Amino acid sequence: DSGVTQTPKHLITATGQRVTLRCSPRSGDLSVYWYQQSLDQGLQFLIQYYNGEERAKGNILERFSAQQFPDLHSELNLSSLELGDSALYFCASSVANGVSTDTQYFGPGTRLTVL
Amino acid sequence: AQSVAQPEDQVNVAEGNPLTVKCTYSVSGNPYLFWYVQYPNRGLQFLLKYITGDNLVKGSYGFEAEFNKSQTSFHLKKPSALVSDSALYFCAVRDTRSSGDKLTFGTGTRLAVRP
Repeated sequence: DSGVTQTPKHLITATGQRVTLRCSPRSGDLSVYWYQQSLDQGLQFLIQYYNGEERAKGNILERFSAQQFPDLHSELNLSSLELGDSALYFCASSVANGVSTDTQYFGPGTRLTVL
Repeated sequence: AQSVAQPEDQVNVAEGNPLTVKCTYSVSGNPYLFWYVQYPNRGLQFLLKYITGDNLVKGSYGFEAEFNKSQTSFHLKKPSALVSDSALYFCAVRDTRSSGDKLTFGTGTRLAVRP
């Protein structure tokens, strides 16, 4: 158990809908990262937050947004869902910002299925 | 831009034999290199990382990896494979010149250890 929690574990929804994925980082970790794992794209970095502020952005669609709250938990919002958004979404956390040697610890993921 | 290549989709090895999972990388700055393992329906588990210093890095569950700067490689090794090592292995790199702390992952290598 990495100490990173994600809810829900599974999510099934229809095209055009909006969902919210939740992540709680390990105790003491200030950085949260979101990754998407799909069969065709592999593991892709989406976005990083550090202590409530956006730190880096990857291949995140405009339909997707994220935020990190004062208690450091993070939410990833996916809207206008398409079939191709079906994937496993991972959250990871690490201690600090800009300390590139930090290890990122991953949660168990949320499996999103768009029908 | 940073990238990682895992040239083998699958590696097959007999229990008790040594195993190697290959990884090569490309970065513009200095690389920080990581290995993660993913078991079915689970998140990514951290195995080991190379930051600086000794080229041979030891990690969890008897795994080790050798950093080779001239060949831009970071191959994962284990002297004696176990059936329970069967899983999906990911190599990842962080470029010290990139903004943020994102990890770029390879496509993964499935390790199958036969009894």
